[in-house]
Amino acid sequence: QVQLQESGPGLVKPSETLSLTCTVSRGSINSDSWSWIRQPPGKGLEWIGYIYYSGTTNYNPSLKSRVTISVDTSKNQFSLKLSSVTAADTAVYYCARERPTGYYYYVDVWGKGTTVTVSS
Amino acid sequence: DIQMTQSPSSLSASVGDRVTITCRASQSINTYLNWYHQKPGKAPKLLIYAASSLQSGVPSRFSGSGSGTDFTLTISSLQPEDFATYYCQQSYSTPRTFGQGTKVEIK
Repeated sequence: QVQLQESGPGLVKPSETLSLTCTVSRGSINSDSWSWIRQPPGKGLEWIGYIYYSGTTNYNPSLKSRVTISVDTSKNQFSLKLSSVTAADTAVYYCARERPTGYYYYVDVWGKGTTVTVSS
Repeated sequence: DIQMTQSPSSLSASVGDRVTITCRASQSINTYLNWYHQKPGKAPKLLIYAASSLQSGVPSRFSGSGSGTDFTLTISSLQPEDFATYYCQQSYSTPRTFGQGTKVEIK
């Protein structure tokens, strides 16, 4: 079964750029689409965006001006960059696989999540 | 964006109870609806996709129904490991959106 592991700094200063990487193991990144989803403390889930293995991206319009998701197929990794962060970006960040069955899409594999705190 | 609204926001139930959670979409999403549950400190886990298809490995006491704008997740006989927060999610369009969650607590 495919496994995902997030990595990156747990503390980011306001106005700086949050950078996270997700490593895909026990499987290939060369299929499906690869997502970032976040969860502020005590709140619900927010979809940030995804990238197809081909490099095509789709972002949440609420974050689009600040988000970049990229993929490195040679390393079996994909990454998230979120610029100009504020305290409102403090959350647990999950990387995840979204896969299709026919025309139906669902997230079937999740990383364990990594907590990112925005604070000076 | 498609808004997803779950009800109730929380409920208390006993082991063995039948539990029903409702999810309503702000527009028709056909059957592009998924259900997840999440335990404290853990990542969400997929239960149901395409409104009524049981994900591999998920116990048959979980079932989903609905189409269009109204959907239901049913747990036929609540087990101790089912106490968690449940989320619906639409995959009809982007941005993908989730319901606000339903917390199932022990009575």
